[in-house]
Amino acid sequence: ETGVTQTPRHLVMGMTNKKSLKCEQHLGHNAMYWYKQSAKKPLELMFVYSLEERVENNSVPSRFSPECPNSSHLFLHLHTLQPEDSALYLCASSQDFDLGTDTQYFGPGTRLTVL
Amino acid sequence: KNEVEQSPQNLTAQEGEFITINCSYSVGISALHWLQQHPGGGIVSLFMLSSGKKKHGRLIATINIQEKHSSLHITASHPRDSAVYICAGAYGGATNKLIFGTGTLLAVQP
Repeated sequence: ETGVTQTPRHLVMGMTNKKSLKCEQHLGHNAMYWYKQSAKKPLELMFVYSLEERVENNSVPSRFSPECPNSSHLFLHLHTLQPEDSALYLCASSQDFDLGTDTQYFGPGTRLTVL
Repeated sequence: KNEVEQSPQNLTAQEGEFITINCSYSVGISALHWLQQHPGGGIVSLFMLSSGKKKHGRLIATINIQEKHSSLHITASHPRDSAVYICAGAYGGATNKLIFGTGTLLAVQP
């Protein structure tokens, strides 16, 4: 138990569906992250929020839309996804947005399958 | 070519063996992370180090800044150590990013 929870753990959706992934951290951290992990590929950073402001968007397609309503919650809204978007989506948090010094705490991930 | 390379990609060991996983990076970093990912997905941070050596239980991580190389050692390996081990180079300051390796899949057989 890392203090970061994600729901749902598994999601199957069609290409025309709209769904949302939810992440919650109970650690009092100021930074939250969305990562994508595809088979045989390194973790890819998608979005970073620091103090509820988006500070990084790594050329992610607009069919992925993040939302950070407060420092404890992070959402990833999904719409008109493609089969190649099937992957494990991981949420993480850290005390502050300083990747050189801060440890990241990861959630268990959501396994997404797009049909 | 990834800026962070791990070897081996796959490793099978017998219970009790001493295990070494290697990580090399191509440019200077401010810190290096070792992470563990169990089947099912969740990732746990094992170590963050910028110099020398750190030890936690049966796990030891070392880094050689001059050679741009880090190793993760597991002593007296156990089947519960079976997981994917990932190293990540951390670039702080204005760069502020993590570059992840592709991971080493370790299977420890009883």
